[in-house]
Amino acid sequence: SQTIHQWPATLVQPVGSPLSLECTVEGTSNPNLYWYRQAAGRGLQLLFYSVGIGQISSEVPQNLSASRPQDRQFILSSKKLLLSDSGFYLCAWSVRTHIQYFGAGTRLSVL
Amino acid sequence: QQPVQSPQAVILREGEDAVINCSSSKALYSVHWYRQKHGEAPVFLMILLKGGEQKGHEKISASFNEKKQQSSLYLTASQLSYSGTYFCGTGATTSYDKVIFGPGTSLSVIP
Repeated sequence: SQTIHQWPATLVQPVGSPLSLECTVEGTSNPNLYWYRQAAGRGLQLLFYSVGIGQISSEVPQNLSASRPQDRQFILSSKKLLLSDSGFYLCAWSVRTHIQYFGAGTRLSVL
Repeated sequence: QQPVQSPQAVILREGEDAVINCSSSKALYSVHWYRQKHGEAPVFLMILLKGGEQKGHEKISASFNEKKQQSSLYLTASQLSYSGTYFCGTGATTSYDKVIFGPGTSLSVIP
């Protein structure tokens, strides 16, 4: 069966520090991969999605970037975090359908 | 473009029914419904594809009117476990790429 791993679960970072969040999927090949951000009490904002290795679509211009170095690995990065980057970051995958399966999420606090 | 959900929040007593609506200004191919418990990742409930087919399982069902670009989620005889935030997501094309989520509807079921 397919599983999605996302880490770390919680992260506290100072303003101006770099960021790297990793997401990996097991049990499937060539998945679509997604990064979402959810501010406290708000909806799901699509940040990036990828339909293949090295193929990244950015939905919102911002302080973040994404990379897909391997088929089932998706990385969210920032060179310098801002206070506004705080939130709940979710990785998701889908294969051949629109159904998306979410990881457990990373709660990021930028102080 | 983000779909619109209504109501923003609803409080029910156990056993009562609720309807959550989702509408889009764009032509839709698919509508997805997810439920998110506090502090957890969203969980897939159901997907409806163009064709107006109504779907459901147990006491939760949904309809999709692609001409009106609207979908409704029906929760009957609500249970405490139904509490959470419900998100609709919309897909505009048949290609399996991105889904845009609405702002969510907070549903609280009380004894």
